[in-house]
Amino acid sequence: SSELTQDPAVSVALGQTVKITCQGDSLRRFFASWYQQKPGQAPVIVIYGKNNRPSGIPDRFSGSNSRNTSSLTITGAQAEDEADYYCNSRDSTNNHVLFGGGTKLTVL
Amino acid sequence: QVQLMESGGGVVQPGRSLRLSCAASGFRMKDYGMHWVRQAPGKGLEWVSVLWEDGSKTHYGDSVNGRFTVSRDIARDMLFLQMNDLRVEDTAVYFCARAGGSWYYLDYWGQGTLVAVSS
Repeated sequence: SSELTQDPAVSVALGQTVKITCQGDSLRRFFASWYQQKPGQAPVIVIYGKNNRPSGIPDRFSGSNSRNTSSLTITGAQAEDEADYYCNSRDSTNNHVLFGGGTKLTVL
Repeated sequence: QVQLMESGGGVVQPGRSLRLSCAASGFRMKDYGMHWVRQAPGKGLEWVSVLWEDGSKTHYGDSVNGRFTVSRDIARDMLFLQMNDLRVEDTAVYFCARAGGSWYYLDYWGQGTLVAVSS
């Protein structure tokens, strides 16, 4: 299957920890990357590869991988983390890029 | 710093064509693969196409394959997306993005340009 599946919505209390997951067969072979998108803005990459953070991304963002699931964890969520989060990877059988459907994160 | 700026969006009738441009600064486009990604109003991200770093290969999403063509001008650090036979369902904000790390990681994105296909 050439799909990545995410929960449509997740909520977290301010200062608590939240995990956003992404499932797909291609994740058994290829790492995912994660993007944060706020309303009216372009996506910003927050995690890529095994667990790499681009310069400028707070260390409360981390990634992990297990079997067919990639996860983005925010430890100590802040109000400014409220956004849509997308995972992406590549298809196992062709040179196509996949995106998950996105998870809307609400910080309560 | 790295910047990407899309242009060329607008309102177009079904069946017509449109050409999008993406101007890069802060890096040389000949050194990186480049992607187009779109987002329909209120929807998620959809990958459209990739042009590999060496310019040798292009790949397209199933919904645009055969209608869209990606190209570049490395002398001007410009990326293009020629969109033919446009459909109502092609209405979206179109982003160009740079491939970083692995070819399918998109490390820098432009702000996008809106394409509206309507009669």
